[in-house]
Amino acid sequence: AQTVTQSQPEMSVQEAETVTLSCTYDTSESDYYLFWYKQPPSRQMILVIRQEAYKQQNATENRFSVNFQKAAKSFSLKISDSQLGDAAMYFCAYRSARRSGGGADGLTFGKGTHLIIQP
Amino acid sequence: GAVVSQHPSWVICKSGTSVKIECRSLDFQATTMFWYRQFPKQSLMLMATSNEGSKATYEQGVEKDKFLINHASLTLSTLTVTSAHPEDSSFYICSASPAGISSWQYFGPGTRLTVT
Repeated sequence: AQTVTQSQPEMSVQEAETVTLSCTYDTSESDYYLFWYKQPPSRQMILVIRQEAYKQQNATENRFSVNFQKAAKSFSLKISDSQLGDAAMYFCAYRSARRSGGGADGLTFGKGTHLIIQP
Repeated sequence: GAVVSQHPSWVICKSGTSVKIECRSLDFQATTMFWYRQFPKQSLMLMATSNEGSKATYEQGVEKDKFLINHASLTLSTLTVTSAHPEDSSFYICSASPAGISSWQYFGPGTRLTVT
């Protein structure tokens, strides 16, 4: 079974600064997807960024970028120019790329990191 | 695009009764839908996976007779919590994968269940 570990229960950063959230995972599969989701107080899950394991290039979405180290099974999220609206719970998630039973697989989530933005 | 809705957003029921939660994909057809549970200040845990027209696949430790899942159409999945107990109180979130694009999942806004 796959596991996802987020070792930082809480992180704090000054507005406009850069912060990096850590995520490691364990899998025996070679093809999979990794995600970072943001969950604000509304509890709506918002996709921040997505990485396909077969792609060596790190994914970027505006101020959000990842450092994907496949051999080390590490998938950290860097948030540049932090904004007050970035404050939320951030979850790292794993999904197998296989299609079992004709359908997709569900996500395995880490325990989350609570990100606080200091004005 | 890619909007998933859940109904109700919050429900309170008495212990021993059953409650049904609906998950709908509003602007796409969903081959696969997923149900997650999130306890306060915890992460999301996958409960079950449902493919349209077939029986749901439950994760280890999830009672299939207690959490009935039906995925009768490509836009609707329902989760029925039968004989609910206070320990079933939680936040239930569904997600849906579009037909032909199984690598993407879109999440609903969640349903808060409180069993008294």
